[in-house]
Amino acid sequence: SALTQPASVSGSPGQSITISCTGTRTDVGGYNFVSWFQLYPGKAPKLLIYDVSNRPSGVSNRFSGSKSGNTASLTISGLQPEDEADYFCSSYTTSTTLVFGGGTRLTVL
Amino acid sequence: QVQLVESGGDLVKPGGSLRLSCAASGFTFTGYYMAWIRQAPGKGLEWISYISSGSSHTNYADSVKGRFTISRDNANNSVSLQMNSLRGEDTAVYYCARVQGTWQFDYWGQGTLVTVSS
Repeated sequence: SALTQPASVSGSPGQSITISCTGTRTDVGGYNFVSWFQLYPGKAPKLLIYDVSNRPSGVSNRFSGSKSGNTASLTISGLQPEDEADYFCSSYTTSTTLVFGGGTRLTVL
Repeated sequence: QVQLVESGGDLVKPGGSLRLSCAASGFTFTGYYMAWIRQAPGKGLEWISYISSGSSHTNYADSVKGRFTISRDNANNSVSLQMNSLRGEDTAVYYCARVQGTWQFDYWGQGTLVTVSS
C-alpha cells in the first residue's frame, strides 16, 4: 500500500520544513532506494532526491533527504515562494515493485 | 537534452481499450528501463509498470495486472502501454518516466490524460 505522507505542511519564507514518508521494512526500511519528487500542476514531475539523500545535478542544496528505520524525510531549508508545490516520495519494494506516498502539499505562507 | 513525450490519451467508455505511447529522445534509449506512472484527479502518484531495456523483464501494479501491457520499440525509441478493460478508476494523467540506476525516475514526460466514462 501507499507510503504515508502528511497531506499538507506549511512554512514562511526562510524557514525550514520537513516532510515525512513512512513505510514498512518491505519498502522504505528495507532499501536505500527512496526518491523524492516535486510536482507543479501541468508540469512534468522533477526528481529532487534519490537513494535517500543524493541530489541530482542541478537540484538546489536547500533540498536534503534522510532516513531512519521505516521513515524517510525530505527537508527544505530557506523556504522560497517557488517551493510551493506537491511533494511525493517513492521506494522500491521487496515485491520488485515501486510504491509512492500519497503526496504532501507545501504552502509557503 | 532528455525528452519524453506521451500521446494517446483520450475519452474512452468503461470496458474499452486505449494505447498510450511515449517517444524518447536525447539519450541512449536501449540503456534504460522505462516506466509508466499515473495520477488520478486529486490523488497521489501510482506506479503502473516498468520494462527492462531489452524487454525481457516487465512488472505491473496489482491494480492493472492482466489488463495493461507494457512494451517498447528500441528501434524507434518508444515505449507503449496497452490498456484493456478500462474502468472509471483508471481515469488519470499517465506519465512515462526513465528509470535510472537504483530505481530512480529521473526524467518524466508531461503526461497524457485518460478519461474513462460513459
